[in-house]
Amino acid sequence: GAVVSQHPSRVICKSGTSVKIECRSLDFQATTMFWYRQFPKQSLMLMATSNEGSKATYEQGVEKDKFLINHASLTLSTLTVTSAHPEDSSFYICSASLGSRRETQYFGPGTRLLVL
Amino acid sequence: GQQLNQSPQSMFIQEGEDVSMNCTSSSIFNTWLWYKQEPGEGPVLLIALYKAGELTSNGRLTAQFGITRKDSFLNISASIPSDVGIYFCAGLGPFGNEKLTFGTGTRLTIIP
Repeated sequence: GAVVSQHPSRVICKSGTSVKIECRSLDFQATTMFWYRQFPKQSLMLMATSNEGSKATYEQGVEKDKFLINHASLTLSTLTVTSAHPEDSSFYICSASLGSRRETQYFGPGTRLLVL
Repeated sequence: GQQLNQSPQSMFIQEGEDVSMNCTSSSIFNTWLWYKQEPGEGPVLLIALYKAGELTSNGRLTAQFGITRKDSFLNISASIPSDVGIYFCAGLGPFGNEKLTFGTGTRLTIIP
């Protein structure tokens, strides 16, 4: 149980285009979903926290107008990278939480974004 | 943001050897978590620790919550090829609803 999926698994896009990444909790309802970014050989850095039906909370230094997060239901959150540039190329990982405690996060398999 | 320092950064060991790695912080955490990440995948939780001094095992893995609450250790006994990956520690504050702070990672490579 507690499976989280992401789609697509990898995407290549041209600079200036927008890319949408989906995160779904397949067998549970997630009260909270998280979006992380991971650069090569580095750790996971939290970008934002989203609760269903409310605006996402962004971490310091993360541009909310560039990384649009929509959490429309208890099983789906989307991250849209708007006007992507090469420096946005990274591994984006979502996680979903069963309850209020953050250790109950289940991570998705990640989406590798390459912006040319 | 704050990061936890993991040591060593990378390890090259032979199959069958034991592995030890640690994670240190300048801040106190009330929960320590250990994750494993394989290439192109998200992290998978291995062990969760909730109490200072706690020692918890999961198969060949054993983790300890440091008494000072500023460190944690992970040991893997009798390593096998599928242990290859990056191991991350993560800390969580007192209320459990704060964000996870991840360590810098230890990359484990097993030499046949």
